[in-house]
Amino acid sequence: DAKTTQPTSMDCAEGRAANLPCNHSTISGNEYVYWYRQIHSQGPQYIIHGLKNNETNEMASLIITEDRKSSTLILPHATLRDTAVYYCIVRVALGSGSARQLTFGSGTQLTVLP
Amino acid sequence: NAGVTQTPKFQVLKTGQSMTLQCAQDMNHNSMYWYRQDPGMGLRLIYYSASEGTTDKGEVPNGYNVSRLNKREFSLRLESAAPSQTSVYFCASSGMTDTQYFGPGTRLTVL
Repeated sequence: DAKTTQPTSMDCAEGRAANLPCNHSTISGNEYVYWYRQIHSQGPQYIIHGLKNNETNEMASLIITEDRKSSTLILPHATLRDTAVYYCIVRVALGSGSARQLTFGSGTQLTVLP
Repeated sequence: NAGVTQTPKFQVLKTGQSMTLQCAQDMNHNSMYWYRQDPGMGLRLIYYSASEGTTDKGEVPNGYNVSRLNKREFSLRLESAAPSQTSVYFCASSGMTDTQYFGPGTRLTVL
């Protein structure tokens, strides 16, 4: 899996957009960018993933640069409940019937301030 | 649709006692996983099951056994608990897209 680099911590005002960057300069053509988060004491939660196109779901948007060497997770209207550690993970997607460890790095501690 | 459920939520054991952590998923996923997370640390894979009827060791399997009872259920057993096994245990499952979905965790303390 390609290595990722994220800032250690970020703050965001409640109601504002939170933009979390991730660098993955060694990403391969068949590797996806996944984002998970872990709210204190809870299990990690899947947020979104993408290959090369921008993606949006009910939780967030994922913007991947054209060269795919970096990406940004956007929480459009951050709330206090979005305070968590956010993990950017790059890996090849496996098909059903395969399994592999999900390796979490240090992530970014996002603190949403009232 | 409950996703991934784990029981119990909390457990305290004495050294040498045994117990089984239960995990079930209702998403019809083929693959299931057991991780542990120590305070301030990342998740480490204990065992996984790529499909019903198969299990494989992960990064830290010593002291644990697993059973893939059926497609829905994947249990983790501690035969003789040790203080070093004090941790939070997470079960996860994944399907066609390799996205892993996690349960709420079991907080285990071994005295």
